[in-house]
Amino acid sequence: AQTVTQSQPEMSVQEAETVTLSCTYDTSESDYYLFWYKQPPSRQMILVIRQEAYKQQNATENRFSVNFQKAAKSFSLKISDSQLGDAAMYFCAYRNTGNQFYFGTGTSLTVIP
Amino acid sequence: SQTIHQWPATLVQPVGSPLSLECTVEGTSNPNLYWYRQAAGRGLQLLFYSVGIGQISSEVPQNLSASRPQDRQFILSSKKLLLSDSGFYLCAWKNSYYLNTEAFFGQGTRLTVV
Repeated sequence: AQTVTQSQPEMSVQEAETVTLSCTYDTSESDYYLFWYKQPPSRQMILVIRQEAYKQQNATENRFSVNFQKAAKSFSLKISDSQLGDAAMYFCAYRNTGNQFYFGTGTSLTVIP
Repeated sequence: SQTIHQWPATLVQPVGSPLSLECTVEGTSNPNLYWYRQAAGRGLQLLFYSVGIGQISSEVPQNLSASRPQDRQFILSSKKLLLSDSGFYLCAWKNSYYLNTEAFFGQGTRLTVV
């Protein structure tokens, strides 16, 4: 099983500011997919953004963007103009060529009004 | 559109009792199916993975088992629950026809073993 590490159990950000959540992973594969999921208090898992490993360009989705460093096996999530609704647990996930998804331990994000 | 149903939402079971959690997917065929467990303060642990009827891969040897009796039905079972089986269980599916799609999750089942 692949290992996904999120070293920040908790993070906080002021409303309208920018925050970056870290994620590293361990793999020997060259072709894989990376994801960030959001889990609000309802506990429903919601996809935030995805990145294909073969693409050098970093993915962006509105206020969410990633910094994908393949050689360093790093996949961080940047949230710009943070909103109160962004408060949630964020999980980094790795999907291998066998289509198994492996998740990190999560980062709990608090948005301060 | 595709939907995933998981039930029950909440379950309280005594130690030593059996368990059956069910998950069904609608609106697609031949999905990849997954069972995850989320323990308190921890991430999602992949328990079982299935690519087709009767085809189950186990990630973590434990007190649980999974079955896929129909194409879009995935069942998580235990013959005798342990206290350590408590947690939040999530079923998920992925479209097997497209490479770049994500996993879609059910609403989850909160299991408390007492």
